[in-house]
Amino acid sequence: ETGVTQTPRHLVMGMTNKKSLKCEQHLGHNAMYWYKQSAKKPLELMFVYNFKEQTENNSVPSRFSPECPNSSHLFLHLHTLQPEDSALYLCASSQDRGGVDTDTQYFGPGTRLTVL
Amino acid sequence: DQQVKQNSPSLSVQEGRISILNCDYTNSMFDYFLWYKKYPAEGPTFLISISSIKDKNEDGRFTVFLNKSAKHLSLHIVPSQPGDSAVYFCAVLNEKLTFGTGTRLTIIP
Repeated sequence: ETGVTQTPRHLVMGMTNKKSLKCEQHLGHNAMYWYKQSAKKPLELMFVYNFKEQTENNSVPSRFSPECPNSSHLFLHLHTLQPEDSALYLCASSQDRGGVDTDTQYFGPGTRLTVL
Repeated sequence: DQQVKQNSPSLSVQEGRISILNCDYTNSMFDYFLWYKKYPAEGPTFLISISSIKDKNEDGRFTVFLNKSAKHLSLHIVPSQPGDSAVYFCAVLNEKLTFGTGTRLTIIP
């Protein structure tokens, strides 16, 4: 496997379900990101992890809970979501989170989430 | 308030001609700009970037132009090929990466 992978690619869940999205990067990067892409909106940054530590949380509701056990893996735990949370969730990684030369982000294919 | 704007949601260009994708930003402090390309069912892939100390960067068929006074960024693709059909996002990097809404480019054979 190369690059950034995400599983599952598609997920349908009810509002009372608990599910998790998984992201894995095989690039030796130290920073990982979760983005949300809703229809006709810009990509929205949700969380940033740098060297396994969360460095940014852009006012994301607590029903989204990230976890970064190591620099290669990033999870997004979902519980009691709302229909408006239906979107494409993209994971990205970059070499570091410090400067423009190291911050170019490489994206996974995304998980298409539908909340019923 | 959107800091990065791509005002054209879609663009169609004949194969072999030049495609010009535009992007406007609001903050003159932004200092690094990127273009990403996205195919359906895939994540965005990095295409080309430019630093604010330059006004042009070229990589093969792709050239990015930066007009700092107008706070305007453009991506030129020449000649356009059918495989260039995708959604193109501009992004600015200050403390974080902020994306525009994207422009869907369709190359007509």
